[in-house]
Amino acid sequence: NAGVTQTPKFQVLKTGQSMTLQCAQDMNHEYMSWYRQDPGMGLRLIHYSVGAGITDQGEVPNGYNVSRSTTEDFPLRLLSAAPSQTSVYFCASSARPRTSGRALITGELFFGEGSRLTVL
Amino acid sequence: SQKIEQNSEALNIQEGKTATLTCNYTNYSPAYLQWYRQDPGRGPVFLLLIRENEKEKRKERLKVTFDTTLKQSLFHITASQPADSATYLCALTKIYGNNRLAFGKGNQVVVIP
Repeated sequence: NAGVTQTPKFQVLKTGQSMTLQCAQDMNHEYMSWYRQDPGMGLRLIHYSVGAGITDQGEVPNGYNVSRSTTEDFPLRLLSAAPSQTSVYFCASSARPRTSGRALITGELFFGEGSRLTVL
Repeated sequence: SQKIEQNSEALNIQEGKTATLTCNYTNYSPAYLQWYRQDPGRGPVFLLLIRENEKEKRKERLKVTFDTTLKQSLFHITASQPADSATYLCALTKIYGNNRLAFGKGNQVVVIP
């Protein structure tokens, strides 16, 4: 069981270049998400998906695209990289959110090891 | 605006003592709250989840309390060990609407042998 696998671990881009961060999970989780982590800002949600074919925006979606064609994969695309996108990116997955009382509870998130991106 | 606040200053604590971290939130009414551990250069790892109707949750040397009146969660590490040195993140979500987790900035703990 590999869990959540992110590639690449490190990447340097020039402004305007495009690239895709890959994320794959082998736990049959329906819920997947992308976060970015910046010093002093904490983890911020970029995009998330509650199942194949379904994606939605998080807190900071601008400049990023996602798709979810399979349960296992959730790639994050940077269409035209900017220096402001220099960050560490984490992919996370969890089992289907379940209802508990009045709440829709996201179960524990399983994170990948991160992809460190530098945009020059 | 909604805020999740954790102490930005590192907590330095002697081995064997109890480390206590605070997570305060405003303009949220979370149904539950989660705590994660993050080591340098690694992804966060889930530790505990506590629901709004639970006052306290324990797991081995970890204890979490959740006071929805004070809008605060306390995270305790008893009999702390150098291996407990890490950054600890709290995370919560709204009751209604989406199920997206929002994270605090984290609080670093350094256990001194």
